[in-house]
Amino acid sequence: SQQGEEDPQALSIQEGENATMNCSYKTSINNLQWYRQNSGRGLVHLILIRSNEREKHSGRLRVTLDTSKKSSSLLITASRAADTASYFCATDEAAGNKLTFGGGTRVLVKP
Amino acid sequence: NAGVTQTPKFQVLKTGQSMTLQCAQDMNHEYMSWYRQDPGMGLRLIHYSVGAGITDQGEVPNGYNVSRSTTEDFPLRLLSAAPSQTSVYFCASSYGQKGRDGYTFGSGTRLTVV
Repeated sequence: SQQGEEDPQALSIQEGENATMNCSYKTSINNLQWYRQNSGRGLVHLILIRSNEREKHSGRLRVTLDTSKKSSSLLITASRAADTASYFCATDEAAGNKLTFGGGTRVLVKP
Repeated sequence: NAGVTQTPKFQVLKTGQSMTLQCAQDMNHEYMSWYRQDPGMGLRLIHYSVGAGITDQGEVPNGYNVSRSTTEDFPLRLLSAAPSQTSVYFCASSYGQKGRDGYTFGSGTRLTVV
């Protein structure tokens, strides 16, 4: 199985609600990154959290990292229809030579 | 500020044909990589380059070649296309090694092999 695995695989919410998705990984990391992919487009880097950080904010995004549980969560507050996309976590493994991406969470925000 | 430019956006090949997917970046990034994206499998690394003249294999390199003659360009060559290579291909670059400071992705090439 993959280093980074997102949960849930899909999420449907109403505009204005919060969306939370989780990422679990297996080995020690230097940092963990979250990306957004709109349909038919490339991935866009959203936020990076280092292994010695526990929480990070960027606009309506809040990321947490629990290295003891090897997990991270991405919270999108006050969601908008434009937040409809797939969200991927990527781990920079301490002993690896590449970023490893998870399978993504598909988020649908209904107006 | 073009970022990462991939061409073509769409391509249909017949089995056995060869082609080159182009990738260029204008951010002076040393690290560049090619990923393929398949449903339910996330992104898998094909090849990467840590700088001009240096390339290495990722996790799924078979059937693909790369070269890096300049910092800006990192083409991906399919030697003899197979239906299993039907996928969406993304080129990405980063300032730091292996994307550790965050990747900039191109918009992708959707390839169908028939």
